[in-house]
Amino acid sequence: SQTIHQWPATLVQPVGSPLSLECTVEGTSNPNLYWYRQAAGRGLQLLFYSIGIDQISSEVPQNLSASRPQDRQFILSSKKLLLSDSGFYLCASLRSPGENGYTFGSGTRLTVV
Amino acid sequence: RKEVEQDPGPFNVPEGATVAFNCTYSNSASQSFFWYRQDCRKEPKLLMSVYSSGNEDGRFTAQLNRASQYISLLIRDSKLSDSATYLCVVSFSGGYNKLIFGAGTRLAVHP
Repeated sequence: SQTIHQWPATLVQPVGSPLSLECTVEGTSNPNLYWYRQAAGRGLQLLFYSIGIDQISSEVPQNLSASRPQDRQFILSSKKLLLSDSGFYLCASLRSPGENGYTFGSGTRLTVV
Repeated sequence: RKEVEQDPGPFNVPEGATVAFNCTYSNSASQSFFWYRQDCRKEPKLLMSVYSSGNEDGRFTAQLNRASQYISLLIRDSKLSDSATYLCVVSFSGGYNKLIFGAGTRLAVHP
């Protein structure tokens, strides 16, 4: 079965600082990968998805970017954080080919101050 | 209109109660449906998929009504450990298996 590793678990960053969140996947190859954000008391919002190396699609215009330099590595970045970037960031992978459910990483709780 | 709508709750029920959550979705092309469970400050975890014929997993029963674009989750004999937020989730073709999440319904089971 696949496992998703995310780090760090929590992060406090000042406004204007850069961001890099990493997600790696084990137990599968060529997975569809996703970045979601959950603001406090809100639902999950899809930010980016990737079907392969260097193939990134953005769902909403924002201050963030994503990259997939390796098959099982997905990175979320920002050059300058905004207060509104605070939230719970979750990396997800499609559970298995032909099955639509996701497996999620344990998430990174980001607070921008 | 939100793509997936849920009553946010909270639903406060005693142990042993039966509780039902409802969810509506706006995209008639939606193809797959799920219920996820999210504990406080944790990642969502798949509770069950929802099939057109309805399906049951122990104390949990899920129903889908495509004509009304409506999904339900029934929990029987509630346990304290069922306290969590329940997320209604849909996906549709042409979107690289993107899942659209509802904001969730919070359940609190008390002794």
